[in-house]
Amino acid sequence: DAGVIQSPRHEVTEMGQEVTLRCKPISGHNSLFWYRQTMMRGLELLIYFNNNVPIDDSGMPEDRFSAKMPNASFSTLKIQPSEPRDSAVYFCASTRGQGSNYGYTFGSGTRLTVV
Amino acid sequence: AQKITQTQPGMFVQEKEAVTLDCTYDTSDQSYGLFWYKQPSSGEMIFLIYQGSYDEQNATEGRYSLNFQKARKSANLVISASQLGDSAMYFCAMRDNFGNEKLTFGTGTRLTIIP
Repeated sequence: DAGVIQSPRHEVTEMGQEVTLRCKPISGHNSLFWYRQTMMRGLELLIYFNNNVPIDDSGMPEDRFSAKMPNASFSTLKIQPSEPRDSAVYFCASTRGQGSNYGYTFGSGTRLTVV
Repeated sequence: AQKITQTQPGMFVQEKEAVTLDCTYDTSDQSYGLFWYKQPSSGEMIFLIYQGSYDEQNATEGRYSLNFQKARKSANLVISASQLGDSAMYFCAMRDNFGNEKLTFGTGTRLTIIP
């Protein structure tokens, strides 16, 4: 089991550029989550998918953020245009689904810096 | 809405002593799950332990145990015989077990083990 795989690990971009973060969940997990971690706001959910369908996107900050899950093994989080306040660590996590007492498995995160 | 409160921003504990990290929660859900995660300085999120709201016994995983007091809405993490490698941020989180799968996190406690 390779765990949840995120890429890139680090991303430095200029304000106004498009940023795409990628995530491969654990095979067999049917729920996928995107979290953002900052010192000011802590860990906050951006969006989550169940069986590739977005279920809760209430945490997506604004129209600059979009997320897709075209199949069970891949998801993207896109920021366009990026702003310095988007600088954070973005985590992807997956789990087997509702009622499971297994922990949510997190990826290593993508540290995004927008300058 | 769910809310997790961790009132200890930081703790210092002597190596080999037991430590209790506090967590209180608020929810109107009847069935819910409580989780603890460890985040070392390297940044990854490591699942430690899970407690279901209907579980009659407190959860245990090796040196970790969860002191679950449902009436008081508390879910404290107890680490026995602390080790230097236990130094990290610790997050308490909860989830509705029959509805929205998102994990709601507390602000965390930074634990430092002193040799």
